[in-house]
Amino acid sequence: QVKLAESGGGVVQPGRSLRLSCAASGFTFSSLAVHWVRQAPGKGLEWVAFISYDGTNKYYGDSVKGRFTVSRDTSKKTLYLQMNSLRGEDTAVYYCAGDRGGGPFEYWGQGTLVTVSS
Amino acid sequence: SFVLTQSPSVSVAPGNTARITCGGDNIGSVAVHWYQQKPGQAPVLVISYDSDRPSGIPERFSGSNSGNTATLTISRVEAGDEADYYCQVWDTSSDHRVFGGGTKLTVL
Repeated sequence: QVKLAESGGGVVQPGRSLRLSCAASGFTFSSLAVHWVRQAPGKGLEWVAFISYDGTNKYYGDSVKGRFTVSRDTSKKTLYLQMNSLRGEDTAVYYCAGDRGGGPFEYWGQGTLVTVSS
Repeated sequence: SFVLTQSPSVSVAPGNTARITCGGDNIGSVAVHWYQQKPGQAPVLVISYDSDRPSGIPERFSGSNSGNTATLTISRVEAGDEADYYCQVWDTSSDHRVFGGGTKLTVL
């Protein structure tokens, strides 16, 4: 079955960078578009970024545009979220979520916690 | 861009029906998806494309969407349904996905 597993979270100082990974298994890697969704402590879900199944299309939420970059490595079956110029308000659990062509987020990872603090 | 409005909380007694709404300007013109999230867990898709129920989701869960309101209905509510529920749409004008603020369902 489809499995997504995030890693790379941790504590980072404001202004620094961090890269999250999302390892995929159980499906044809190039068949799934992937999103990053985050959830600040005690808050709701916020859509962060999208990368199409072939990596040609990428979109970002307004709060992260210009600071975050999404990519995918087909050979490693892994998605990445490069986060630069981190701020306190980026503190959240980050989930990767898969959709099959413009549909709902059918598949979710377990999430990885990012804490931005000095 | 799309703004989705959900009531912060809904309370219902076991065995009764819970209705969770998601408001948005002409939301009936787009597909709405619903997610259930229990504490400490990742969200789970419970309704897709307004009213489709994914495999494994009980028939007690149903959805509708018309005009400016989409509704998730949970019949014969059980204690295990207590969770946060989120609506979500695809804003094709910006290619952004949008979530509602979430509704906490409390089973009395």
